[in-house]
Formats: sequence, C-alpha cells, structure tokens
Amino acid sequence: EAGVTQSPTHLIKTRGQQATLRCSPISGHTSVYWYQQALGLGLQFLLWYDEGEERNRGNFPPRFSGRQFPNYSSELNVNALELEDSALYLCASSGGRRYTDTQYFGPGTRLTVL
Amino acid sequence: TQLLEQSPQFLSIQEGENLTVYCNSSSVFSSLQWYRQEPGEGPVLLVTVVTGGEVKKLKRLTFQFGDARKDSSLHITAAQPGDTGLYLCAGANAGGTSYGKLTFGQGTILTVHP
Repeated sequence: EAGVTQSPTHLIKTRGQQATLRCSPISGHTSVYWYQQALGLGLQFLLWYDEGEERNRGNFPPRFSGRQFPNYSSELNVNALELEDSALYLCASSGGRRYTDTQYFGPGTRLTVL
Repeated sequence: TQLLEQSPQFLSIQEGENLTVYCNSSSVFSSLQWYRQEPGEGPVLLVTVVTGGEVKKLKRLTFQFGDARKDSSLHITAAQPGDTGLYLCAGANAGGTSYGKLTFGQGTILTVHP
C-alpha cells in the first residue's frame, strides 16, 4: 500500500513569491494535515482538511492557505514568502474525523526562501 | 495551549546501553504517538498509546502511557547504531481547539556509537 506522497521534494523561491506544495494521502484516508518543521522550532500544526473542508487551523498568518480536492489530495499555498518560511513542510493523513489520532506522514517538501 | 516537554534533548550512548526518553505535559491527551525521523525525511510512526497505564512493546522498545494520560516514556534496551535518529512524541485530543492536530514535543536526538 502506497504511503503519503508529497511534491515537489525541494522548492527554491525568492522573498515575495508564492509557493504551492502538493500532497496525496494514503488510499482510503479522507483527512489531510499540514505541519511546518523549521530549524529549532519543532513540528508546528498548520492546517487540517477533511472531506474538502478546513476543520482546524494553527497559529499561522492568512498567507498560509490550502484546499482539499474531491479525491482527497491537498495543496498548501504560501503567499508573499518570507525568509523565515524556509522549512520542511510535512503532510500527514488519517482515516477521517473519527481517526484523527494516528497520522501518517509523507517525506516532506523542503522549501528554501532566498 | 497544550505543551509537551520532551527530555532529554540530546542523548549520546554506546551500543548495548539502555536509555529512556520522557514526554510530560500538564494537559490530558486522548492518545499519544511516538515517531522516529531520519534527516530530510518525514516522521515514521512507531506506536500509538490510548489507555492510561498502557504499556506496548516493539522488539527492544517499550512505550508507556501514564495513568493520568499526561505523560509517556520510551525505553530502549540494548541500543544499536541503527536506533540513531530523532525521536518525537506527539499528543492528540479528540475535541476542542486542539481537535485534529498533534502537539509535538521538541524531540530527542539519539546517537548510538558502535
């Protein structure tokens, strides 16, 4: 069974640009979560999508947004990139709102903002 | 805001030694997960504990969830160089503002020398 996949693996942008990161959940999973892992800050929760709806949001500015598609894949968009947005962005999936506890992570997208 | 304090932050030991990593909080969690992460990759789930007082074993790894579901520990017996990595605890809650998000500890970087 395929795990969570993310693309691209690496992304290099300059300050002020926009970045789009993509995630495909494990087959059968309806919930997708996004986390930011910046150096020295640990994993911080960004967003949770389930059944196409945003269910919860972490303490991040509105320029971090996303969506979930009918096939349950998801996209994270970061507008007006800042240097401190450089981080590993991790996507996770779970079986839905009744199974939020156990989340399975993808390999991540390394975003570098120059 | 829920917080998880993980200790120690760094652990450097010789092959064959035993070690324990702790995860503590003042908050109650519905479950707690332990993950292991290699550099540049996503966290890989090791175990989920859901019942207060629960003990789970995975080969040389023993996981315990505190009776009050506020703390957890990971014990590794006879550590091997292949155990080297970043170990993360993460707590989940089934409702409220924390619904759907995992709260992560700061992580423990374990290095096992041959």
